[in-house]
Amino acid sequence: QLQLQESGPGLVKPSETLSLTCTVSGDSISSGIYYWGWIRQPPGKGLEWIGNIYHSGSSYYNPSLRSRVTISVDTSRNQFSLKLSSVTAADTAVYYCARLLWSLRLMDVWGKGTTVTVSS
Amino acid sequence: EIVLTQSPGTLSLSPGERATLSCRASQSVSSSYLAWYQQKPGQAPRLLMYGAASRATGIPDRFSGSGSGTDFTLTISRLEPEDFAVYYCQHYGTSPPMCTFGQGTKLEIK
Repeated sequence: QLQLQESGPGLVKPSETLSLTCTVSGDSISSGIYYWGWIRQPPGKGLEWIGNIYHSGSSYYNPSLRSRVTISVDTSRNQFSLKLSSVTAADTAVYYCARLLWSLRLMDVWGKGTTVTVSS
Repeated sequence: EIVLTQSPGTLSLSPGERATLSCRASQSVSSSYLAWYQQKPGQAPRLLMYGAASRATGIPDRFSGSGSGTDFTLTISRLEPEDFAVYYCQHYGTSPPMCTFGQGTKLEIK
């Protein structure tokens, strides 16, 4: 059964870089029909797409975050990662990783999410 | 950039009633890439519908979706207690290739 698990620091200082990893188990991240994505949800608010990546490294980002975001993939570890630089309190959120079925542009499997707080 | 606007923001209904949730796009979008998600407190979103009208695996048939162009609807025919949650519509565009979520509709027990 496919599972996605986010991991990383729960507290990041303002102006620093937020780094999270999503570990995929139960399927290969190199499966040709899926992209792998990050979505976040600030406290009490809605969902915001951050970006997604293919196993080849091809990626798409939310234009509003593009200048600060890097998503990378490590097929040997079956993981993909998110880096968000120059964080502020506005980046405080629950961060989810998800599998994106590219042919239908839907996110069919999600991780449980991890809370990241930006505070000094 | 496509904006998805969901209405109402909050819908108060009783179990057994019919729920109709709306998602309106700022410009015409492909229904093939229109999905709906359900999110309960403290949980990750769950895929409900895709292609505007197809149910995801394991979703009961009281859930249905419809629409095209700029107007899409999620209908729950007879509300069960477990259906009270927040619902999001989502579209993934092709040019540029980016994903957009609506702001959500909270379905609460009246």
